[in-house]
Amino acid sequence: QVQLVESGGGVVQPGRSLRISCAASGFTFSGHGMHWVRQAPGKGLEWVAIIWYDGSKKYYEDSVKGRFTISRDNSKNTVSLEMNSLRAEDTAVYYCVREERGFFDYWGQGTLVTVSS
Amino acid sequence: QSALTQPASVSGSPGQSITISCTGTSSDVGSYNLVAWYQQYPGKGPKLMIYEVSKRPSGVSNRFSGSKSGNTASLTISGLQAEDEADYYCYSYGGGVTYVFGTGTKVTVL
Repeated sequence: QVQLVESGGGVVQPGRSLRISCAASGFTFSGHGMHWVRQAPGKGLEWVAIIWYDGSKKYYEDSVKGRFTISRDNSKNTVSLEMNSLRAEDTAVYYCVREERGFFDYWGQGTLVTVSS
Repeated sequence: QSALTQPASVSGSPGQSITISCTGTSSDVGSYNLVAWYQQYPGKGPKLMIYEVSKRPSGVSNRFSGSKSGNTASLTISGLQAEDEADYYCYSYGGGVTYVFGTGTKVTVL
């Protein structure tokens, strides 16, 4: 069965960096675009970034553009999000999500990133 | 891109039917049949309940159904059960690399 397991979340000071990762299993990883979607405490879902199935294209939500970098390793079935210059408003649960033809079909359990001094 | 508009809360008694609306624009809901609905329990990741407006993934109860008219999509839960109490989010593809979620609806089973 499809599994997406995020890791790497934690507490980080404003302005610092953090890298979160997602290990995928149970499907042909290289056949799907992968996304990160976040959810601030008590708030709704917000799309953050996408990486094409082959890593050839990457796109970001405007507020994270230039600060976050999405990457993937199809040989290890992993996708990562490098987050730099973190701000308090980046505090959220970050979900690793699989795309299937324009919608999201499988989500991980999420990893909490807290930006606080 | 603005979030799709959902009612903050909807409630119903066991056995009743409820409908959650999701209003977007002609650039997202009105233009694509890539509308989905997600169920989320506290502390858990979202689960796909409906995709492509009205299709149900394997394993999802047929008490859940979806529809769309113009710029508004809807999720109907029939025969409401205690286990349906959760947050529900709609989603629409918006063209290019635009992915839009709804504001979320808390469903309460009375």
